[in-house]
Amino acid sequence: ETGVTQTPRHLVMGMTNKKSLKCEQHLGHNAMYWYKQSAKKPLELMFVYSLEERVENNSVPSRFSPECPNSSHLFLHLHTLQPEDSALYLCASSQTRWRDTGELFFGEGSRLTVL
Amino acid sequence: GENVEQHPSTLSVQEGDSAVIKCTYSDSASNYFPWYKQELGKRPQLIIDIRSNVGEKKDQRIAVTLNKTAKHFSLHITETQPEDSAVYFCAATSGGGSNYKLTFGKGTLLTVNP
Repeated sequence: ETGVTQTPRHLVMGMTNKKSLKCEQHLGHNAMYWYKQSAKKPLELMFVYSLEERVENNSVPSRFSPECPNSSHLFLHLHTLQPEDSALYLCASSQTRWRDTGELFFGEGSRLTVL
Repeated sequence: GENVEQHPSTLSVQEGDSAVIKCTYSDSASNYFPWYKQELGKRPQLIIDIRSNVGEKKDQRIAVTLNKTAKHFSLHITETQPEDSAVYFCAATSGGGSNYKLTFGKGTLLTVNP
């Protein structure tokens, strides 16, 4: 496989469930991201991992927990979500975070529905 | 922080016509402005970008213009085709060091009618 792959593509969960989203990039990039895409809203950056550093958006609730075991894999652990968390979650990678030509390569997203 | 406004939210044109999408940004230090295209059910993909030291950039039927003084930039698509139908997102960089981030506009749904 090439590019950025996300699993699962679709996920339905109850508010008390625990689930995880997985992202893998095969591009040799050093930075990985989680974005939330909701209808009629801008793409919202949730978390960034760049080399050894994690940078997060302080407005992201603690029920979302990222994990980046190495530069190729990124997880988003989900716990006690709310219906308003239903959205498309996009993973992306870039060669490096600090260059201003940091083209983002997105995965196809994980469509999450919280009942 | 950076605020990126994008207009219009929807745009419908006839095949062959031109389409223009405009974005404004708030951070005068922004120096990189990409445009992403997201077809229905697909991932966003970079289609063109421009740096702050350039006023215009073209790539076949698409072009981007940047006015740093007014803090706005625009995407121009000429001779539109049905396959141009998608959501287009503008973005602008802001911050530095660990605060560096890309802020996106809300997107424009472009429909090209055959």
